[in-house]
Amino acid sequence: AQSVTQPDIHITVSEGASLELRCNYSYGATPYLFWYVQSPGQGLQLLLKYFSGDTLVQGIKGFEAEFKRSQSSFNLRKPSVHWSDAAEYFCAVGPPRGGYNKLIFGAGTRLAVHP
Amino acid sequence: DADVTQTPRNRITKTGKRIMLECSQTKGHDRMYWYRQDPGLGLRLIYYSFDVKDINKGEISDGYSVSRQAQAKFSLSLESAIPNQTALYFCATSEGGPYGYTFGSGTRLTVV
Repeated sequence: AQSVTQPDIHITVSEGASLELRCNYSYGATPYLFWYVQSPGQGLQLLLKYFSGDTLVQGIKGFEAEFKRSQSSFNLRKPSVHWSDAAEYFCAVGPPRGGYNKLIFGAGTRLAVHP
Repeated sequence: DADVTQTPRNRITKTGKRIMLECSQTKGHDRMYWYRQDPGLGLRLIYYSFDVKDINKGEISDGYSVSRQAQAKFSLSLESAIPNQTALYFCATSEGGPYGYTFGSGTRLTVV
């Protein structure tokens, strides 16, 4: 079955510390991979995506993610967290070619940032 | 104006009432989706549509129906609302491929 697992429900980091949010997936083929961020009271905004090529992808707001095929993972990282990064983060996977492009989302990781 | 607009933003309704959530988009995308978000469960797909004549059930369609009135409009109805349909509902659009979704700001629905 296709699924996305985000093992950490809540993470708390200090401002300026580094961050890594984990995402593992189960899919029949290498899917398209996405990270979204949801700020309080807002919709979801695309941070970054991977579909081919370089396995380290850069996104907005200083985030990056690394695709590791052998581990079926797509972990999100940021070297220095800002207080404004406090939000909920969702990993998602989608079919590698065309069709309805239905995305499957993980349960989310809520990030808190201490000053 | 937002690319994907959802109305209303918040709604409280009583058990048994019929309610419609509306979504309109200016992206020109063919694909439209309705998801619900519950704490600890992420987003789950209710219905999706490829065009006006193409409507498909998602993983949790029971108790819901949809209407694709035009390429730009995709409405979600709860025929007879029940308390466990209390959730945050999102509409999204996509042009397919590796481009991901564009989300609306969500509708927070409370069924009492």
